[in-house]
Amino acid sequence: AQTVTQSQPEMSVQEAETVTLSCTYDTSESDYYLFWYKQPPSRQMILVIRQEAYKQQNATENRFSVNFQKAAKSFSLKISDSQLGDAAMYFCAKFEGGSEKLVFGKGTKLTVNP
Amino acid sequence: DAGVIQSPRHEVTEMGQEVTLRCKPISGHDYLFWYRQTMMRGLELLIYFNNNVPIDDSGMPEDRFSAKMPNASFSTLKIQPSEPRDSAVYFCASSSWDRITDTQYFGPGTRLTVL
Repeated sequence: AQTVTQSQPEMSVQEAETVTLSCTYDTSESDYYLFWYKQPPSRQMILVIRQEAYKQQNATENRFSVNFQKAAKSFSLKISDSQLGDAAMYFCAKFEGGSEKLVFGKGTKLTVNP
Repeated sequence: DAGVIQSPRHEVTEMGQEVTLRCKPISGHDYLFWYRQTMMRGLELLIYFNNNVPIDDSGMPEDRFSAKMPNASFSTLKIQPSEPRDSAVYFCASSSWDRITDTQYFGPGTRLTVL
């Protein structure tokens, strides 16, 4: 089965510091899409950033950026200048064109300390 | 845009009762997805629709679960009869029609508790 692995169940960061959340995945496809979603205590799933596998340039959205290493099948999320509002569960997800399904990792709980 | 709308936000019911969850996708989105989130299994895709037609229901756990999409702006997920192990958060998500690979936007979820 195609899987997405988030090896860090929990992470913590000081406010204004930088933190990196890890994600690796398994795939036999050459073209696919990768996503990071944020789930705060409100439960709402919020898109943080997306990356098309065919693009070599790493995606960036304000304080959020990714380090996409296609050969290593790695897709980490970097949060710069962490804010208290960044505290949430973060889910890495991969869209599988063959099965047409979005597969999620187990999530990383991020705590931001003031 | 109001985003994906789900109702109710919370549902508490007793085992054996019928439960109906509702979803209104983002206008113009022709793909609709139902997910279930539990601590043990994480986020799982139950079923998805394209242009109101069910495409893949392989994630539906058993015959007690059914989903319908009678029109482009409304979908239901029904559990009959409900069991305590169905307790979970159920999410609806939608994406645009021309590329299923487009980003899926999630609703706020329905927290279901079956006693």
